[in-house]
Parts: sequence; structure tokens; C-alpha cells
Amino acid sequence: GNSVTQMEGPVTLSEEAFLTINCTYTATGYPSLFWYVQYPGEGLQLLLKATKADDKGSNKGFEATYRKETTSFHLEKGSVQVSDSAVYFCALSSSSGNTPLVFGKGTRLSVIA
Amino acid sequence: ETGVTQSPTHLIKTRGQQVTLRCSSQSGHNTVSWYQQALGQGPQFIFQYYREEENGRGNFPPRFSGLQFPNYSSELNVNALELDDSALYLCASSLDSGFTDTQYFGPGTRLTVL
Repeated sequence: GNSVTQMEGPVTLSEEAFLTINCTYTATGYPSLFWYVQYPGEGLQLLLKATKADDKGSNKGFEATYRKETTSFHLEKGSVQVSDSAVYFCALSSSSGNTPLVFGKGTRLSVIA
Repeated sequence: ETGVTQSPTHLIKTRGQQVTLRCSSQSGHNTVSWYQQALGQGPQFIFQYYREEENGRGNFPPRFSGLQFPNYSSELNVNALELDDSALYLCASSLDSGFTDTQYFGPGTRLTVL
């Protein structure tokens, strides 16, 4: 079945540091890939997505590139801020959209000033 | 445009009891999905409702059931609560059925079963 594996957290970075959160997936065909973010006390918010190989999703300075050859969708940001502290979830869905989202376990990011 | 809301925020029940959790979708969204998020885990899909009919179900027993109403509200009911049901329950609304449309999540209801 479909699955998503994320790097274990927590990740602690200083403000303005470079962020990478690794995500790899197992799926048949060409799934759609997502990053969701969960700020403290809030629901999940879609951060970015990519629906086909080599697509790059981007939002709020975050980027992730759909790599079919390595089955990866790593999240990156060049300079993190304290306000980026949250839990980040990688997720996938089938390209047809008829299978539910499958989430990774989440990676907690703490950014310190 | 109002966001997705859920009630209550927190709930404590004892084993064997029944619970009803509520969700109010964004106006115009015909689809609601429910997820269970155990501590330290990602959300797991429970089921989806589209225009008041169940439209897909994850690997959860029948004691998890749902309802969707014409006014964009919905309920998740859990009977015969077990300790392992303790989790954050999230609802998410979207415009159309399936999972291609962006899902908008509520803040969740944290259920504790003692």
C-alpha cells in the first residue's frame, strides 16, 4: 500500500538557518504529493503540493521538488523564522484523487531566536 | 468566508461510553472527511461524506460512524469507547468528492478516554 516516511524530529534550528525535512514515499503510479503544516492549537494547513514528476511546489519561502527517480519530496527553506515553528507533515494521494491522503508521522520544527 | 470549526475542543470520556464530535464545514463545501491523529502520529483517514452519503472509509471498525447534514455540518460518532480511541480528531472540508481538491482542516477535538 501507499506510505510516507519522514525524518524523525524534533528539529531545532537558529533563526535564518537553512531547513531540510526529508520525505520519501512508496506508491504505485504517480501520486500527488503534499506538505501540510500544523501550528500549535490549529488545524493542518496545506503548505504546498506537486502533482507530477519534476514539479516544484512553493509557498511562503518553502519549496519541495517531486523526484520520481528517488521517490522523494524533501521540504526546504533558505532562512527559517521563529514563526515557522510547527509540525510539518508530508502526505500523498493517488493521481486520480480517489484514495485518501496518507500522512507521514510529522516532523516538529523549533526555531530559536 | 468562515473556516472549518469543530466542537468541543476537548472531551474526556470513560471506556464503554459513546461520544459525538461536531464539525462545521466551509460554506459551499459538499465533502467532509474525518481523521484520527494519535499522539506523535500523522492523521489517519476514518471516512468521507459527500452530499450526506458515505463516500469511502478507512480501516476503522463500524463503531465509528458519521452523519452529514444539508447545512454543511457533520458529526462523528464513536460507540463503545476504548482507551486507544484517545486522539485528536480532525475534520476537513472540500468542494468536491475525492481528494484532489484542497482539504481545509479544522483545529480538531482532543478526546481522552479513561
